[in-house]
Amino acid sequence: AQTVTQSQPEMSVQEAETVTLSCTYDTSESNYYLFWYKQPPSRQMILVIRQEAYKQQNATENRFSVNFQKAAKSFSLKISDSQLGDTAMYFCAFMKLPGNQFYFGTGTSLTVIP
Amino acid sequence: EAQVTQNPRYLITVTGKKLTVTCSQNMNHEYMSWYRQDPGLGLRQIYYSMNVEVTDKGDVPEGYKVSRKEKRNFPLILESPSPNQTSLYFCASRRTGQSYGYTFGSGTRLTVV
Repeated sequence: AQTVTQSQPEMSVQEAETVTLSCTYDTSESNYYLFWYKQPPSRQMILVIRQEAYKQQNATENRFSVNFQKAAKSFSLKISDSQLGDTAMYFCAFMKLPGNQFYFGTGTSLTVIP
Repeated sequence: EAQVTQNPRYLITVTGKKLTVTCSQNMNHEYMSWYRQDPGLGLRQIYYSMNVEVTDKGDVPEGYKVSRKEKRNFPLILESPSPNQTSLYFCASRRTGQSYGYTFGSGTRLTVV
């Protein structure tokens, strides 16, 4: 079975600073995708960034980037120039291929302090 | 606008009173899923469907039913709700082979008293 672990239940960061959220996963699969979802207080689940396991290059989306270490089964999210609107719960997720099931971590609650 | 629509957003009900949470998507997605979100537990999959008339259990299916008679709709049925089903529920859909992950509905906050 696949498991996803987010070991930081809560984190905070000063506005304009950089923060890194950790995620590790356990799988015997070689082909899979990894995702970070953001859930602001509105509770809408928003896709932040995704990474294909077969790609060595780390994904980047504006201020959001990942550090994907396949051998270590680690998938951390870095948020640069943190903004107040980044305050949210962040979920790491794993999707194996082929198939349908997603596995989510327990989430990290991030607060950006003005 | 491409979206997943679930209703209602909030629901308070009493133990044992059957209820249905509706979910509809307008993106012609094959896959649809239901998740529940609980503090400290993240999102856990209840049921999923790979296409019309094809459904399967997720990690926490007890006490829930689903059906997929049409591609766009995937209702979640609680035939006899209990207080331990108080939770935040999400419906989500995705296209076969698509690597973009799920599109989520806006969630249903269910309270069973």
